[in-house]
Amino acid sequence: EIVLTQSPDFQSVTPKEKVTITCRASQSIGSSLHWYQQKPDQSPKLLIKYASQSISGVPSRFSGSGSGTDFTLTINSLEAEDAAAYYCHQSSSLPGTFGQGTKVEIK
Amino acid sequence: QVQLVQSGAEVKKPGASVKVSCKASGYTFTAYYMHWVRQAPGQGLEWMGRINPNSGGTNYAQKFQGRITMTRDTSISTAYMELSRLRSDDTAVYYCAAANSGTYEWGQGTLVTVSS
Repeated sequence: EIVLTQSPDFQSVTPKEKVTITCRASQSIGSSLHWYQQKPDQSPKLLIKYASQSISGVPSRFSGSGSGTDFTLTINSLEAEDAAAYYCHQSSSLPGTFGQGTKVEIK
Repeated sequence: QVQLVQSGAEVKKPGASVKVSCKASGYTFTAYYMHWVRQAPGQGLEWMGRINPNSGGTNYAQKFQGRITMTRDTSISTAYMELSRLRSDDTAVYYCAAANSGTYEWGQGTLVTVSS
């Protein structure tokens, strides 16, 4: 089973600040890494697919990078509506696994 | 667009079983694997397994082997997840998710509460 480890677990950020969340895989997964945002009492929402591919309708301040075992989600100029939990997910092999999540709070 | 509508909340006693449904629309039901993911209160996302709606073939997470059954009814574009021998730590929101080229389209979630 591929283990995904996110850091940090929690981040308290001022609006307009830049946020960086990392996801490290226990073995190489190529670019089969996706990022989801989940707000309280909502289903997860896809933000970035295949490490760096943008999703229609997702604000351009969200971007992703990385390959192999190390990946990054960047939120440029954080907005209040970005308060949420963020999860990475790998689709390289079964079982599909998720990072433990990163909670982003707005100061 | 893909839409997944799940059945309503359930309250079950320990040792019972629960069966959650997920009705798909907006795409060809047999084209995408259906996955099931759960989320315990205040916790992260946990993959449970998947079903190939075309063949009915399944893959389950080892943790749930022997307790979980995924099925589908292609005539009504609906997938099902049944979990047996429920325990209190099975209390969670259960999501179905259609896998489209590796990424998920999610249902709204079904809260299953296990309590005596």
